[in-house]
Amino acid sequence: SYVLTQSPSVSVAPGKTARITCGGDNIGSHSVHWYQQKSGQAPVLIIYFDTDRPSGIPERFSGSNSGNTATLTISRVEAGDEADYYCQVWHRSSDYVFGPGTKVTVL
Amino acid sequence: EVQLLESGGGLVQPGGSLRLSCAGSGFTFSNYDMSWVRQAPGKGLEWVSGISSSGDKTFYADSVKGRFTLSRDNSNNRLDLQMNNLRAEDTAIYYCAKVPVNCGGDCYFNYWGQGTLVTVSS
Repeated sequence: SYVLTQSPSVSVAPGKTARITCGGDNIGSHSVHWYQQKSGQAPVLIIYFDTDRPSGIPERFSGSNSGNTATLTISRVEAGDEADYYCQVWHRSSDYVFGPGTKVTVL
Repeated sequence: EVQLLESGGGLVQPGGSLRLSCAGSGFTFSNYDMSWVRQAPGKGLEWVSGISSSGDKTFYADSVKGRFTLSRDNSNNRLDLQMNNLRAEDTAIYYCAKVPVNCGGDCYFNYWGQGTLVTVSS
């Protein structure tokens, strides 16, 4: 089965940039999708197909994917960005696979 | 506006059964693949089961294969997850999730319901 890895936590000051990584074997050959989940709420799609943003998602959220690492970047971090972030791929051996999640804390 | 409303969660004893439902509205339900994703307390997301738009294909995570059955009623815009032989490790919030059309095999979930809590405990 395909496995994704994420750092458990990231801390960032308001106005700075947060980078959340998602690791997987040759993940660059897969499309990576990202979800934001605030406390007590359902997940929300924020990036799909590596770099695309659904309507309503701020441009401060961006994604990239190459080699063995995909990255979600949050620019000009705001207090409201504090949440858990999950990466996800679809893999033929495992169907939908989620990373373990990264907790973003805004200092 | 797309809405997904789950129901059917509750407390059940180990070995028991429960049936979850998801009502879809605001979109043409019969055009879209659907899935259930769960989240154990304090844990991450885990895909549970998926079904094709017509209902002719179903897919299951190894952790629930043989115990859960997913079906859909496109005439009533409803998704049903029959869960049998429940275990303590099935305790989780269960989310109904919609897959966009034509995602080409690299699929994701563009809408989620608010979830329904299933607790398996004696």
